[in-house]
Amino acid sequence: GNSVTQMEGPVTLSEEAFLTINCTYTATGYPSLFWYVQYPGEGLQLLLKATKADDKGSNKGFEATYRKETTSFHLEKGSVQVSDSAVYFCALSNTGKLIFGQGTTLQVKP
Amino acid sequence: GAGVSQSPRYKVAKRGQDVALRCDPISGHVSLFWYQQALGQGPEFLTYFQNEAQLDKSGLPSDRFFAERPEGSVSTLKIQRTQQEDSAVYLCASSPRWEGAGYTFGSGTRLTVV
Repeated sequence: GNSVTQMEGPVTLSEEAFLTINCTYTATGYPSLFWYVQYPGEGLQLLLKATKADDKGSNKGFEATYRKETTSFHLEKGSVQVSDSAVYFCALSNTGKLIFGQGTTLQVKP
Repeated sequence: GAGVSQSPRYKVAKRGQDVALRCDPISGHVSLFWYQQALGQGPEFLTYFQNEAQLDKSGLPSDRFFAERPEGSVSTLKIQRTQQEDSAVYLCASSPRWEGAGYTFGSGTRLTVV
């Protein structure tokens, strides 16, 4: 069946450090891939998406590239800020419903 | 409204009690989804509506869980005879069409069964 695996957290970084959160998936067909972010006390927000192989999604300095050959969609940011502290979820969809990974907590210290 | 509204934000239920959780989607959104998020886990799919039709309820964990959307707008998730394992955040999302990227999530209802 379809599934998503993310690197375990928490990930703790200093401000302006480089961020990578790994995400791999298992799916039949050609899923769309997403990163969602959940700030404390708030609902899930779509961060970025990619709908086909080699697409790069980007938003707010975050990027992720849809790699079909490695079934991966790793999230990266060149310079994190304290305000990026949140829980990040990788997800896929190929039947309309979203299937999420377990989430990775990011803590950015000043 | 501007977003997806869920009520109540917090609910404490005694084991065996019935609860009802409400979701007000964005006006005009056709698709509505319910997810269950256990502590420290990602959301898991429960059920899906397109307008008033429940097209997929494969994620409902038992027959104690029931969802409805009788007029194609507001939806209610009902849990009968609550158990401790039902403690979780219940998330609602709506979309103007059948496509993951269009989902807008509510802030959720945190259910604690004691």
